[in-house]
Amino acid sequence: SQTIHQWPATLVQPVGSPLSLECTVEGTSNPNLYWYRQAAGRGLQLLFYSVGIGQISSEVPQNLSASRPQDRQFILSSKKLLLSDSGFYLCAWTRLLGSSLGYTFGSGTRLTVV
Amino acid sequence: AQKITQTQPGMFVQEKEAVTLDCTYDTSDQSYGLFWYKQPSSGEMIFLIYQGSYDEQNATEGRYSLNFQKARKSANLVISASQLGDSAMYFCAMREVSYNFNKFYFGSGTKLNVKP
Repeated sequence: SQTIHQWPATLVQPVGSPLSLECTVEGTSNPNLYWYRQAAGRGLQLLFYSVGIGQISSEVPQNLSASRPQDRQFILSSKKLLLSDSGFYLCAWTRLLGSSLGYTFGSGTRLTVV
Repeated sequence: AQKITQTQPGMFVQEKEAVTLDCTYDTSDQSYGLFWYKQPSSGEMIFLIYQGSYDEQNATEGRYSLNFQKARKSANLVISASQLGDSAMYFCAMREVSYNFNKFYFGSGTKLNVKP
């Protein structure tokens, strides 16, 4: 069966520090991978998506970057965090084009920048 | 223009009653998918129900049903016999297929509170 792992679950980081959030998918190959951010009480904002190794598309210009070094690994990074980077970060994947299964989400990372 | 619109930021419903959460969408594609997700306070996103654009029957999953009105471009979620555990944020989403990529659009969500 397919599973998605996202860590850490909670993170408190000072302004100006680096960030690395990792997401891995098991039990499938060549998934579409996504990073979303959710501000408190708000909807989901798509940050990055990837259709393959090394292929990253950015939806919103910002302080963050993403990488896909392996087929089932998706990493969200920042060199210097801003207060506005605080939020709930969700990784997700989909399998087939047009699949009725939709997204499978990771459990999320709650990031607080202080 | 917004791809997905949820006009109810918050709603209350009495336990055991039915509730409808509204969702309208905007697309020029013929083939698309509509989804509803539940997000409890823990933050996890839970898939509830799916409706394909070519499906003629409204989707149902247990106490959840999707009232799909294609001409009106609406995909309302109906929860029957509300339970206290249904209190959560609910997101409507639409999937379009763009080249080799599933692209999803989410609404801003509706916070449902079930009263005992």
